[in-house]
Amino acid sequence: DAKTTQPPSMDCAEGRAANLPCNHSTISGNEYVYWYRQIHSQGPQYIIHGLKNNETNEMASLIITEDRKSSTLILPHATLRDTAVYYCIVRAYSGGGADGLTFGKGTHLIIQP
Amino acid sequence: DSGVTQTPKHLITATGQRVTLRCSPRSGDLSVYWYQQSLDQGLQFLIQYYNGEERAKGNILERFSAQQFPDLHSELNLSSLELGDSALYFCASSARPDEKLFFGSGTQLSVL
Repeated sequence: DAKTTQPPSMDCAEGRAANLPCNHSTISGNEYVYWYRQIHSQGPQYIIHGLKNNETNEMASLIITEDRKSSTLILPHATLRDTAVYYCIVRAYSGGGADGLTFGKGTHLIIQP
Repeated sequence: DSGVTQTPKHLITATGQRVTLRCSPRSGDLSVYWYQQSLDQGLQFLIQYYNGEERAKGNILERFSAQQFPDLHSELNLSSLELGDSALYFCASSARPDEKLFFGSGTQLSVL
C-alpha cells in the first residue's frame, strides 16, 4: 500500500470546519483513500473512503485532487467530541484479497472550545 | 457500538505466561483482523482471517498465534509473554476482505 503523510497535529475551533490534509503522492490506480479516527483509546472508527470522486456522508466529506496525490477530510462543524487521531490510509483492492489496513501516525485533531 | 465484541476488556498477567484473547465479529462478517497498539509503535497489523483461513500476516511474532473457528469467532494466543507485549489488542471485522473494517473496543493487556 502507498505511504501517506499527515501533519502530526492540528487545532480547530468548535463549530468551524476542520480540514485535515493527507499526501499520498505514490498512490496507484487501484488504491482507495480511507479515513479512520481513534478517540482516546477506543477502537478506530471508519469515517469515509473514496477512489477518484469526492465523497460525502453523514460524518464528513472527502475531497481528492484530480491527480489523486492528495486528499482532504472535512468535518463541516467540528464539536469537542471530534477530538481524536485521524488516520489517512491508502488501500489496494485486488479482486477480494487485501491485507489489513496499515495505519501511520495520523493527525491529532484538537477541537478548542 | 461497532458490533465487534472483544473479551476480556482487561488482562493482567506475568512474564512467561500465556493468554488468549477472544473476538466475536459483527453478524455476517467473514473476515477478522487483529491489531496491536502500544505507545511507541502505534497500530500494528498482526494477522487476518477470512472464513476460517489465514489471509494475510503482518508483524506477528512467532510466540503469537491466532485462529478463526467455524462459527467465525477468533482467538489470539500470546505465549511466553514479555513486558514489551503490554499493549491494547484490537480485533476488527469486515464482511469481505476488501470492505471497511469495524473495530472492537480492545483488550488491554498488562504484563508485569
